[in-house]
Amino acid sequence: DAEITQSPRHKITETGRQVTLACHQTWNHNNMFWYRQDLGHGLRLIHYSYGVQDTNKGEVSDGYSVSRSNTEDLPLTLESAASSQTSVYFCASKRTSGGSDTQYFGPGTRLTVL
Amino acid sequence: DAKTTQPPSMDCAEGRAANLPCNHSTISGNEYVYWYRQIHSQGPQYIIHGLKNNETNEMASLIITEDRKSSTLILPHATLRDTAVYYCIVRVTHFGNEKLTFGTGTRLTIIP
Repeated sequence: DAEITQSPRHKITETGRQVTLACHQTWNHNNMFWYRQDLGHGLRLIHYSYGVQDTNKGEVSDGYSVSRSNTEDLPLTLESAASSQTSVYFCASKRTSGGSDTQYFGPGTRLTVL
Repeated sequence: DAKTTQPPSMDCAEGRAANLPCNHSTISGNEYVYWYRQIHSQGPQYIIHGLKNNETNEMASLIITEDRKSSTLILPHATLRDTAVYYCIVRVTHFGNEKLTFGTGTRLTIIP
């Protein structure tokens, strides 16, 4: 069955280290998204992509970067991890832009920055 | 995107229909109503969405009032696995407007 996966599921790192979170989907969806979820803030959009070589900033993009070299993957990189980036990160994908298509979410990655 | 109001929590007996209300009195004509749920520690799960007409799928039914100012998500035969936080989201989906704004939702507890 087609699906969206994230790895690792749990990660502990130290302040200042570079961290990359993986997101992989097998639906061949053009659109992919990264969110973070924190208590009291709901889900906040970090970055998104409408296709290969396309990336866009969301509302909380500072300190994060993404690259889209193929349809299936959108890795999220924390350039220099900070304690404020301790959060649960969710990746999502969507078939097309516009219309009434909806986003489908991965299982999440719990990141702790010490 | 229009604001939504949901009760913070609800209980429902196992096997009964769970009816979750959502108020969206400022909804505009081109905004869809979406429902997601999040079971503890898991990613949000899409349930159903609609524009004007009532909708039904294998998971739930969505009833939208004629004036579109409110809607109800119905889980016809609730099970313990339906215990989750349910989010009602109203939005226009178009190129460049992809952000899903999850409010505080309704915490639904299914009672054995």
